[in-house]
Amino acid sequence: ETGVTQSPTHLIKTRGQQVTLRCSSQSGHNTVSWYQQALGQGPQFIFQYYREEENGRGNFPPRFSGLQFPNYSSELNVNALELDDSALYLCASSLGSNPTDTQYFGPGTRLTVL
Amino acid sequence: AQRVTQPEKLLSVFKGAPVELKCNYSYSGSPELFWYVQYSRQRLQLLLRHISRESIKGFTADLNKGETSFHLKKPFAQEEDSAMYYCALGRQAAGNKLTFGGGTRVLVKP
Repeated sequence: ETGVTQSPTHLIKTRGQQVTLRCSSQSGHNTVSWYQQALGQGPQFIFQYYREEENGRGNFPPRFSGLQFPNYSSELNVNALELDDSALYLCASSLGSNPTDTQYFGPGTRLTVL
Repeated sequence: AQRVTQPEKLLSVFKGAPVELKCNYSYSGSPELFWYVQYSRQRLQLLLRHISRESIKGFTADLNKGETSFHLKKPFAQEEDSAMYYCALGRQAAGNKLTFGGGTRVLVKP
């Protein structure tokens, strides 16, 4: 069983640009959650997808959007990048969306916005 | 809104000494509490959850609803326990979407 993978590892963008981050969940995991982790802080929940439908959203603006595909991959898209979007972006996959469903985290994508 | 507070950014203890990481939460409903750990150059992983009432790597955590706390304890710290620890809160109505605390870095000195 392979773990959760994310690409790219690092990314540098400038303000106003758009970015797409990718995540490959563990096989069989129907749920993927995305978190933003600013430097020195804990992860903050962005949104969750279950069976390709959004299943909850944190306090993030609409310029943060996502997609989940049938092949257990997913994307996080951020439009009109701002300096404060610089952070580590984590995805986590789980079998389902119940509290007992353990989330397995990827290594993260570090985004720097200049 | 739910909130998780970890008051200590850094805990430094000697090997063999007890270690306690504090976690306080604010949530009016019935919480699900977790501790996650991130070892150096590794990814974030679940250490334990309150509903399992288990001890993992010698760590235990008790949910105290009266004090809204979920402190993590280990009686005898080991050097391999050096890591970043995050307390996280889930709401039963919100599935496994988590609210994390700011984290505590534990350094176990030989």
